[in-house]
Amino acid sequence: EVQLVESGGGLVQPGGSLRLSCAASGFTFSTYWMSWVRQAPGKGLEWVANIKEDGSERYHVDSLKGRFTISRDNTKSSLYLQMDSLRAEDTAVYYCATHHNNRFDYWGQGTLVTVSS
Amino acid sequence: QSALTQPASVSGSPGQSITISCTGTSSDVGSYNLVSWYQQHPGKGPKLMIYEDNKRPSGVSNRFSGSKSGNTASLTISGLQAEDEADYYCCSYARSSLSWVFGGGTTLTVL
Repeated sequence: EVQLVESGGGLVQPGGSLRLSCAASGFTFSTYWMSWVRQAPGKGLEWVANIKEDGSERYHVDSLKGRFTISRDNTKSSLYLQMDSLRAEDTAVYYCATHHNNRFDYWGQGTLVTVSS
Repeated sequence: QSALTQPASVSGSPGQSITISCTGTSSDVGSYNLVSWYQQHPGKGPKLMIYEDNKRPSGVSNRFSGSKSGNTASLTISGLQAEDEADYYCCSYARSSLSWVFGGGTTLTVL
C-alpha cells in the first residue's frame, strides 16, 4: 500500500524558514516524479513544485521561485521542501504527492504550516 | 483567481447524474490530453479520479467519467451516492507557465 506521510509543519514567524519532509513507502520511490501541492485554509489546490526521479530536474511555480526549493533523498525514500522568507500567504496545508505520468496518483494527508507573528 | 474555471457548487439527488465543467484555454486544457480530476473529502488528502482527460484509475467506480471538448473538460458522476459528496478539482499542464494548474474546486452536495 502506498503511503506518504508529511511532517515538519507548524507555526513560524514571517520571514522565517521551515523544512517539510515526506516519508514514502509501498512503492519504488526512486522511479517516481514527486510533487508538493498546497491548499490555503478554505481555498483550492495550488501546485508548488516537482522533481524528477533522480533529482536531476526540478520545477517550481513562478510565484515561489527563489523562496521554496524541492529536493529528495532516494536512499531514504524521502521528499523535502525547504521554505524560506515565509509570508502570511504561505499559510496552508502542504501535501506531498506522487507525480507520475503527468498525474498526481497518490497523496499524503498533509502538514499544516501557519505563518504568523 | 484560479487558472482553470469551475462552478463553485453543484448538487443532485441520489441516483441522478451531475456534470462539473472545467474551462481553461488553448494553452492548457486545449493543448494536451492531460486533464485530471481529484476528489477531496473534508480533512483528507485529494484522490485521483480521472487522468488523461477520460481514463479511470484502477479501483475508481465506473460511475465517474471524464470528457473534453476544446478548452473545456467535464467530469460526470452518474448514479449519485451520498459518499460522492465532496470537493472536486480539475488540473492541467499549462505550457504558457510551464506549470501545473488547478481549478478553483467545485463542492458537490448530494441532496
